[in-house]
Amino acid sequence: QVRLVQSGTEVKKPGASVKVSCKASEYTFTNYDINWVRQATGHGLEWMGWMNPNSGYTGYAQKFLGRVTLTRDTSINTAYMELSGLTSDDTAFYYCTLGLGEVWGQGTLVTVSS
Amino acid sequence: QSVLTQPPSASGTPGQRVTISCSGSTSNIGSNFVYWYQQLPGAAPKLLIYRSNERPSGVPDRFSGSKAGTSASLAISGLRSEDEGDYYCAAWDDSLSAVFGTGTRVTVL
Repeated sequence: QVRLVQSGTEVKKPGASVKVSCKASEYTFTNYDINWVRQATGHGLEWMGWMNPNSGYTGYAQKFLGRVTLTRDTSINTAYMELSGLTSDDTAFYYCTLGLGEVWGQGTLVTVSS
Repeated sequence: QSVLTQPPSASGTPGQRVTISCSGSTSNIGSNFVYWYQQLPGAAPKLLIYRSNERPSGVPDRFSGSKAGTSASLAISGLRSEDEGDYYCAAWDDSLSAVFGTGTRVTVL
């Protein structure tokens, strides 16, 4: 059964960076794009960007350009999302997905608070 | 970044049919497939419809999707109490970014 397992809850101070991991299993990691989506409490889904794990090519939402970096380590079938310059507006659940939401990770809560 | 427009809420009694609309533009829905997701309270979203009208295995045939021009719809027939939750549409845009709908809260009366 295809699974995406994300790293645990993070608490960060304003201005810091956070790096969330997403470990894939039960499929060939390099065959499918990984997308990242976030959801603030009580709000809708917001697309952040995508990565091709085979080539490393990435694409980012205009809103996050310059602040988000998507990377991967194919030796351990893991994708990463790093977000810098955190503010309280970045407090949200962050999800990795296979393709555009075909399979979802369990989500990682990132809280930004002084 | 544009978003797809959905009604904020929809409701029905058990057994009824509920339809949710998703309005976009020529650069997203008008030229790409539409996806639909169900998010139950406290859970991650789950794929309901892909390629505008295809159901993944395990999704009941009570759920169906359609697309016409720059709009799409999700229909839930035989509404059940366990269908209560939030529903989102999504599509790729020709700008190589993806856009999500604003979300619809479905209530079973």
